[in-house]
Amino acid sequence: DGGITQSPKYLFRKEGQNVTLSCEQNLNHDAMYWYRQDPGQGLRLIYYSQIVNDFQKGDIAEGYSVSREKKESFPLTVTSAQKNPTAFYLCASSIVAGGYNEQFFGPGTRLTVL
Amino acid sequence: GESVGLHLPTLSVQEGDNSIINCAYSNSASDYFIWYKQESGKGPQFIIDIRSNMDKRQGQRVTVLLNKTVKHLSLQIAATQPGDSAVYFCAESRSNTGKLIFGQGTTLQVKP
Repeated sequence: DGGITQSPKYLFRKEGQNVTLSCEQNLNHDAMYWYRQDPGQGLRLIYYSQIVNDFQKGDIAEGYSVSREKKESFPLTVTSAQKNPTAFYLCASSIVAGGYNEQFFGPGTRLTVL
Repeated sequence: GESVGLHLPTLSVQEGDNSIINCAYSNSASDYFIWYKQESGKGPQFIIDIRSNMDKRQGQRVTVLLNKTVKHLSLQIAATQPGDSAVYFCAESRSNTGKLIFGQGTTLQVKP
């Protein structure tokens, strides 16, 4: 059963702590993406990776970091430098970056800073 | 700046009626457009896409229309059902970048 999984579904963090969100896909997709969604808003791109061991900043990368050591995994770390981290985080993947390829989304992780 | 926007934040329709959700995009270089449906607390789900060399594309109960002259995109849902209630996003992309730019979203409410 192919797809994208994100864990955990809900995450609570104290101010000043780093936290890592997991994203795994078994679709054999080369490209993976992280988005942030705030209430009543569209999705904004944080980071994306076109291939293993390579990634690029999106529109709102400050306060976040990523790694892409394996094709199927693209974890996102929300650091203490992110001033307003409470949001819904969505991971996506596509066969390749670019072209006419839709992105497939995971179920999301809701992060709340206490 | 670049933006993809939707004309109405909320659309309310009667069950069985047709729904039309509109979207305006700003960059004429965009050549790929996608409509997503997002239910509360879930990730967006792909509905239909269209390339810029097409004006219309049909799926099951859905049709996407693209008017490049006025940079306008619309999603038509036939015989709207309660299960269609969700937030609908349009997204634009330039095929040489792989980056999607999302609009704000339109909430579709289906009245029984």
